[in-house]
Amino acid sequence: GNSVTQMEGPVTLSEEAFLTINCTYTATGYPSLFWYVQYPGEGLQLLLKATKADDKGSNKGFEATYRKETTSFHLEKGSVQVSDSAVYFCALSTSGTYKYIFGTGTRLKVLA
Amino acid sequence: DVKVTQSSRYLVKRTGEKVFLECVQDMDHENMFWYRQDPGLGLRLIYFSYDVKMKEKGDIPEGYSVSREKKERFSLILESASTNQTSMYLCASSLGQGNSPLHFGNGTRLTVT
Repeated sequence: GNSVTQMEGPVTLSEEAFLTINCTYTATGYPSLFWYVQYPGEGLQLLLKATKADDKGSNKGFEATYRKETTSFHLEKGSVQVSDSAVYFCALSTSGTYKYIFGTGTRLKVLA
Repeated sequence: DVKVTQSSRYLVKRTGEKVFLECVQDMDHENMFWYRQDPGLGLRLIYFSYDVKMKEKGDIPEGYSVSREKKERFSLILESASTNQTSMYLCASSLGQGNSPLHFGNGTRLTVT
């Protein structure tokens, strides 16, 4: 079946450091891929998405590229801020279904 | 922007009580979902609905039921609350199938004592 694996946290970085959160997936067909962010006490918000191979999703300085050959969708940001401290979820869905598969989340803590 | 509103941020209920969690979305989305979120387990789908009066079981439907009488409203019902249903409950909505992102509410943290 379909699955999403993302790196265990927590990830602790200093402000302005480079961020990578790894995400790999297993899916039949051609899934759409998403990154969501959850700030403390809130629900999940869509951060970015990509719907086909080689697409790059980007938002608020975050980027992720849909790599079909490595079945990956790693999240990157060049310079993190304290306000980026949150839990990040990688997810996939496949066309023609209502099923979304989420990773277990990676907690990011950015220190000033 | 899509707004998904959950009626309560925090709820405390006693074992055996019947509990209603309400969710309303304002963007005419066909699909609505209920997830629960627990540390180390991520998000698990309880039920979803792709149309009014239609419902489908998710991965963990036991102990729950749902109601969708109007397109904008999706209710989660705990028929007889138990302590193992203490959790964060997240409602979401989406348009169409597959490629559309989910839009989440802020969650309801339910404690069953």
